[in-house]
Amino acid sequence: GNSVTQMEGPVTLSEEAFLTINCTYTATGYPSLFWYVQYPGEGLQLLLKATKADDKGSNKGFEATYRKETTSFHLEKGSVQVSDSAVYFCALTIANAGGTSYGKLTFGQGTILTVHP
Amino acid sequence: EAGVAQSPRYKIIEKRQSVAFWCNPISGHATLYWYQQILGQGPKLLIQFQNNGVVDDSQLPKDRFSAERLKGVDSTLKIQPAKLEDSAVYLCASSLRNGRVYNEQFFGPGTRLTVL
Repeated sequence: GNSVTQMEGPVTLSEEAFLTINCTYTATGYPSLFWYVQYPGEGLQLLLKATKADDKGSNKGFEATYRKETTSFHLEKGSVQVSDSAVYFCALTIANAGGTSYGKLTFGQGTILTVHP
Repeated sequence: EAGVAQSPRYKIIEKRQSVAFWCNPISGHATLYWYQQILGQGPKLLIQFQNNGVVDDSQLPKDRFSAERLKGVDSTLKIQPAKLEDSAVYLCASSLRNGRVYNEQFFGPGTRLTVL
């Protein structure tokens, strides 16, 4: 089956520190990969995505590269801010060889990030 | 553009009672999803609709959960009877479908259910 594994959390950093949140996946078919963020008291929001191998998704200073050889999609940011404190979810959807996608998102367990001033 | 609306935001019930959640997707979004998010876990898909038809309900506990989307717009998710392990946040999401590809899913704020 399809699954997503995120690094064990929570992660606590000081402002301006470098962030890495690891994400690996197993999938049958052709996965597209996503990072979603959930800020305190808010709903899930798409942060970035990559739809094929070697694609790099980026948004708000965050980046992640789709690595097919290591089945990974690690999230990075060079300098975190207090406002980045949130829960981050790695997720995937699957398409078949014909390019038809199935819509359904499979999520990792989430990583809580806390950034201190 | 209005986002995905859900109600109620919070619900507390006793076990064996019934409960219903309502979702109104973004206008024009034909695909609607219900996810269950248990504390400390990622969301898990319960059911996916395309217009008013079910695409995937393989992880819906059909002995107690039901969902409908009668006119292809609003949707209702029901639990009857509720169990303690149903305590979770129930998320509704919607998306457009462009040919063979489902576009970005937009999530509502969720309904937090506590079963006592």
